[in-house]
Amino acid sequence: DAGVIQSPRHEVTEMGQEVTLRCKPISGHDYLFWYRQTMMRGLELLIYFNNNVPIDDSGMPEDRFSAKMPNASFSTLKIQPSEPRDSAVYFCASRNAGGSQPQHFGDGTRLSIL
Amino acid sequence: AQSVTQPDIHITVSEGASLELRCNYSYGATPYLFWYVQSPGQGLQLLLKYFSGDTLVQGIKGFEAEFKRSQSSFNLRKPSVHWSDAAEYFCAVSTGNQFYFGTGTSLTVIP
Repeated sequence: DAGVIQSPRHEVTEMGQEVTLRCKPISGHDYLFWYRQTMMRGLELLIYFNNNVPIDDSGMPEDRFSAKMPNASFSTLKIQPSEPRDSAVYFCASRNAGGSQPQHFGDGTRLSIL
Repeated sequence: AQSVTQPDIHITVSEGASLELRCNYSYGATPYLFWYVQSPGQGLQLLLKYFSGDTLVQGIKGFEAEFKRSQSSFNLRKPSVHWSDAAEYFCAVSTGNQFYFGTGTSLTVIP
C-alpha cells in the first residue's frame, strides 16, 4: 500500500516567495495533520483536518501560513511570503478515526528559505 | 492537560547492549500510547502501540514496551541494540483526535 506522499522532498527558495507543500494521505484515512520540525522547537503540530474540514489551526504560526484540503486525497500547506525562519522540515501525517489508530507520516519536505 | 515527557535527550549505548528509553505521560483517561522512530532524512515510523490488554507490547525491529499505569510510564526496550538502531525515538499519547509527542531521545550506538 502506498504511504503518505509529500512533494517536493526538498525546496530551496528566496525569502518573499510563495511556497506550496503538497500531501496525499493514505486512501481512506479520515484525519490529516501538518507538522513542522526544527532543532530548536522539535515537532510542532500546525493544523489538522477531519474529513477535509480544518479542526484545529492553533499551531499555525501566523497569517502567512495557510492550509487547505479540497478533497480527501489532497492537502496543501502554503507560506506567503516566506521568511528564513520558516526553514524546517514539514511533515504530513494521516490516520483512520479512532483514538487507538496510529498516525502514518510522509517522508517530509525539507524547506530552506534563503 | 495532556503531555508526554522523555527525560533523556540523548543516550549512547554499545552495540549488543540492552536499551531502555523512558517515557512518562500525563492524561486523565485510559491512554493510547505509541513509540515512533525517525532515521535521518526520513519521517516517523511506528514501532509499536498500546491501547488495551496486555501491558507488554511487541513491536517491529525487536522492540518492546511496557505500560505501567501506576507510574504513568511507557518505556521502550530492546535486549540487544544494533548499529542500525541509531535514530531519534519519539513517544506519543493519543487523546482520540490529537497526538501529543515527546521531545524525542536521540540514540547513538557505538561499535
